[in-house]
Amino acid sequence: NAGVTQTPKFRILKIGQSMTLQCAQDMNHNYMYWYRQDPGMGLKLIYYSVGAGITDKGEVPNGYNVSRSTTEDFPLRLELAAPSQTSVYFCASRAQGNTGELFFGEGSRLTVL
Amino acid sequence: DAKTTQPTSMDCAEGRAANLPCNHSTISGNEYVYWYRQIHSQGPQYIIHGLKNNETNEMASLIITEDRKSSTLILPHATLRDTAVYYCIVRVGSNTGKLIFGQGTTLQVKP
Repeated sequence: NAGVTQTPKFRILKIGQSMTLQCAQDMNHNYMYWYRQDPGMGLKLIYYSVGAGITDKGEVPNGYNVSRSTTEDFPLRLELAAPSQTSVYFCASRAQGNTGELFFGEGSRLTVL
Repeated sequence: DAKTTQPTSMDCAEGRAANLPCNHSTISGNEYVYWYRQIHSQGPQYIIHGLKNNETNEMASLIITEDRKSSTLILPHATLRDTAVYYCIVRVGSNTGKLIFGQGTTLQVKP
């Protein structure tokens, strides 16, 4: 199993550009998450999904969109990138139920200039 | 929106036990407490979880108070490699998958 795979690992965007961060998991997990982490800060939940076709907002959803058309994939779309979106983005997944452990990807470092 | 409160930072001498507290006074009866740690800029790593009984695994022990309003993560013999940010989290709401991380505790293990 590859676990949770995020691409790209690094990206530099210009203000106003758009891009999609890809996340895929091969563990057949129902739950998937996107977090962002600013320097020296904790993780903030952007969006999450409890299954294909179902997504919900987290703490900081503004400026982002997600979709979940398959169990495996959970892409995060940034529209009109702003410097405030410079951050490290982590995707995570877990199995259904109370005892599901969160599995994280390696992160995607995004810089908006 | 985080449902947990942790000290911002703690120090521990190498070889000593590190006891990291977490307050989760609004936890619901069926919500588990999870502990993760993050070393440098890596993705957080699962450590342990529990509902109401004390739990132990190869990494740590988790002590949950009888009223479940607080817990303590214990690293029995801290090493320099245990220097990390430790997060205590609970699920937000009994019928959602929402998992909120707080600011965590930065544990510095010193020689």
